[in-house]
Amino acid sequence: EPEVTQTPSHQVTQMGQEVILRCVPISNHLYFYWYRQILGQKVEFLVSFYNNEISEKSEIFDDQFSVERPDGSNFTLKIRSTKLEDSAMYFCASSVRGQYDEQYFGPGTRLTVT
Amino acid sequence: AQKVTQAQTEISVVEKEDVTLDCVYETRDTTYYLFWYKQPPSGELVFLIRRNSFDEQNEISGRYSWNFQKSTSSFNFTITASQVVDSAVYFCALSEAGAGGTSYGKLTFGQGTILTVHP
Repeated sequence: EPEVTQTPSHQVTQMGQEVILRCVPISNHLYFYWYRQILGQKVEFLVSFYNNEISEKSEIFDDQFSVERPDGSNFTLKIRSTKLEDSAMYFCASSVRGQYDEQYFGPGTRLTVT
Repeated sequence: AQKVTQAQTEISVVEKEDVTLDCVYETRDTTYYLFWYKQPPSGELVFLIRRNSFDEQNEISGRYSWNFQKSTSSFNFTITASQVVDSAVYFCALSEAGAGGTSYGKLTFGQGTILTVHP
């Protein structure tokens, strides 16, 4: 069964460093998402991406964040200058038809900023 | 603005008991979608069910059932004859269609309910 994959599973970085989190969505899906979950809290929407551009973003997704689909399979989230409060689990998700379908989530990348 | 409330922070049951997880939502849209996701201890988010706002039929899938009531803005989830493997955090989520169907599927999650099933 196709699944969303994410790498790395755990990333430790120092405050102020740039990180790139990588995702490979399910191959026939057209809508891509990033969410984050701070430890013990709810899952929060960051950004949605469709047709090679950002379709919606939350107030969390400020200028420090960017997303890219550099080729036909990868979908990346970049944090330019990490802060301690960026420590969280980051989930990538994808769906076929956006709002008309369920989203399938990857296993997540745990980001620890020290 | 959309909002999802899961008032039960933690529930603890003994195996074979039935358990209901509550979910109440707020939205101004007339078209919206409701979801339940399971997050086992391993951390991934597993899709369980999706309902649209025009379909109030209750659904049963094995030991799982869902009760959608628009009148009370609730979408509750019942596990019958619970098992230890059901222990997880369960999230209810809402997606609005947006004006003219302009939404791209952003999910708003509730706080989650931690379910522990003891043997």
